[in-house]
Amino acid sequence: KAGVTQTPRYLIKTRGQQVTLSCSPISGHRSVSWYQQTPGQGLQFLFEYFSETQRNKGNFPGRFSGRQFSNSRSEMNVSTLELGDSALYLCASSPGQGKTEAFFGQGTRLTVV
Amino acid sequence: AQRVTQPEKLLSVFKGAPVELKCNYSYSGSPELFWYVQYSRQRLQLLLRHISRESIKGFTADLNKGETSFHLKKPFAQEEDSAMYYCALYLAGNKLTFGGGTRVLVKP
Repeated sequence: KAGVTQTPRYLIKTRGQQVTLSCSPISGHRSVSWYQQTPGQGLQFLFEYFSETQRNKGNFPGRFSGRQFSNSRSEMNVSTLELGDSALYLCASSPGQGKTEAFFGQGTRLTVV
Repeated sequence: AQRVTQPEKLLSVFKGAPVELKCNYSYSGSPELFWYVQYSRQRLQLLLRHISRESIKGFTADLNKGETSFHLKKPFAQEEDSAMYYCALYLAGNKLTFGGGTRVLVKP
């Protein structure tokens, strides 16, 4: 079974730009969650999608948004980038339906300059 | 509010010595807790969960609801155990609340 795939692996963007990150979950998994990992704040939950619906959201500004497609693939968008958005963004997929183990991708390293 | 605390940022032990990683949580409901591990240049992966009560790679963790703790233990550390370890609390809607992580360094 292929693991969770995130693209791209690395991104460099300028302040004020927007960025879209992509996540392909494990086949058959319907839940996709996104996390931001920084040295200062650690791993923080951004949001979770299940069957194309956002079920849960963390404490991030509205500049952070996401969506999920019918094939369970998910995208995360950050608009009006700030220097503080530089981080490793992790995607995790889960089967859902009571199965709680999360399988993580390698992450996308975003650098805002 | 739900919170997970890992008081040690770094644990350095010699090979063959016991290692214990502390994890305390704050949660009003019935907790579901995990330990995740990240080896160098690898993705974050599940090490073990409290409901399965199993030993993985020699590691065990016991949920103590009275002390609100879920400490991870291994009696004899190996060099390949060097990694970053995260304790995590599962919340509804597939949300994981992570502790700050503990880096374990096993010296030869």
